[in-house]
Amino acid sequence: KAGVTQTPRYLIKTRGQQVTLSCSPISGHRSVSWYQQTPGQGLQFLFEYFSETQRNKGNFPGRFSGRQFSNSRSEMNVSTLELGDSALYLCASSLSIGGGQETQYFGPGTRLLVL
Amino acid sequence: AQSVTQLDSHVSVSEGTPVLLRCNYSSSYSPSLFWYVQHPNKGLQLLLKYTSAATLVKGINGFEAEFKKSETSFHLTKPSAHMSDAAEYFCVVSNQGGKLIFGQGTELSVKP
Repeated sequence: KAGVTQTPRYLIKTRGQQVTLSCSPISGHRSVSWYQQTPGQGLQFLFEYFSETQRNKGNFPGRFSGRQFSNSRSEMNVSTLELGDSALYLCASSLSIGGGQETQYFGPGTRLLVL
Repeated sequence: AQSVTQLDSHVSVSEGTPVLLRCNYSSSYSPSLFWYVQHPNKGLQLLLKYTSAATLVKGINGFEAEFKKSETSFHLTKPSAHMSDAAEYFCVVSNQGGKLIFGQGTELSVKP
C-alpha cells in the first residue's frame, strides 16, 4: 500500500499570504490529523478529521483551518501568514478514531518557509 | 491531562553499544504509548506501541520498550547501536480522543 502523501513538499511564502497544504491518507484510512513541528515548540497537534468532520482541535488561532473530503483526502489552510508559521507540517492517517489506541502513520511533511 | 517527558535531549553512543532513551509519562488513565523515529528531512516512522497488553513491547529494527506503571516510565532500548540508528526519537502518549502528545525528542548520535 502506498503511504501517506503530502503536497507540496516545500513552499516559500511571504507574510500576509495564505497557503493550502494537501494530504492523501493511506488507502482505507478515514482519519487524518495534522501536526506542526518547529524547533522551539516541537510537535504540536493542530486538528483531526474523520468522515469529513473535525473531531479534535489543538490550541491554534483561527487562521489555521482544515477540511476533509469524501475520499478522506484532507487540506489545511493557513491565512494571513506570519513568520512564526514557518514549520514542518505533518499529516498522519489512521483507520478510524479508536479512543487513543489507533496507530497514526505519518507522511513526509510539507516544509513551509514564511519570509 | 496527559503529558510526556523525555529525560535527555541528546544521547551519544558508540556503534555496537546499548542504547537507552528515557521517557516518563503522566496520564489519568491507562495510556497508549508510542515511540516514533524521525530521520533528517523525513516524516515520523512508528517504532513500537503499547496498548495495555504485554508490558515489554518489541518494535522494528531491534528496538524494544518496557511499560512500568509504578515508575510511569516507557524507556526505549536496543542492545547494539548501528550507525543507521542516528536520528531523533519521540516518545508519545495518546489521549482518549486519539490526540497524540509528543515529548520534546531525543537526538541519538552514533559514533563509529
